[in-house]
Amino acid sequence: EPEVTQTPSHQVTQMGQEVILRCVPISNHLYFYWYRQILGQKVEFLVSFYNNEISEKSEIFDDQFSVERPDGSNFTLKIRSTKLEDSAMYFCASRTDREIYEQYFGPGTRLTVT
Amino acid sequence: ILNVEQSPQSLHVQEGDSTNFTCSFPSSNFYALHWYRWETAKSPEALFVMTLNGDEKKKGRISATLNTKEGYSYLYIKGSQPEDSATYLCASLSTDKLIFGTGTRLQVFP
Repeated sequence: EPEVTQTPSHQVTQMGQEVILRCVPISNHLYFYWYRQILGQKVEFLVSFYNNEISEKSEIFDDQFSVERPDGSNFTLKIRSTKLEDSAMYFCASRTDREIYEQYFGPGTRLTVT
Repeated sequence: ILNVEQSPQSLHVQEGDSTNFTCSFPSSNFYALHWYRWETAKSPEALFVMTLNGDEKKKGRISATLNTKEGYSYLYIKGSQPEDSATYLCASLSTDKLIFGTGTRLQVFP
């Protein structure tokens, strides 16, 4: 069964460094999302992406964050200058254009900023 | 701002017990309510997507109901097994983004 994959599973970085989290959505999906969960808190929406453009972004998704679909398969989240409070589990999700209610999630990347 | 709440936060039951969790959500501008099952280091697994008031869905020993007028959903597990141990997340769909509750962490002891 097709699934969303994410790499790496765990990333440790120093404060101020740039990180890129990678996702490979399911191949026929057209809508892509990033969510995150800070330990002990709710899963929060970051950004949605369709047709090579951001559709919607949350207040969390400031100028330090960017998303890109550099080729036909990858969907990336870049954090330019990481802060301690960026430590979280980052989930990628995707869906088709027909199943508007169904988002399929990857296993997440745990980002630890030291 | 949508606020989705779940209770209880955690639950410990014996194998064979039946259990249920609650998810409450704002009933205005409702699109859909999702239940996910999430085990550590795995992808959250979609259990149910419900859209209509009065919806009842079932998958094996797990079922869910939806009341969109009063803004709540219940998830039931009949005859809990140790492999049911996981965090159960509910999320309300708002425009095209999911608003999650805090989750209910279920631990089933043999």
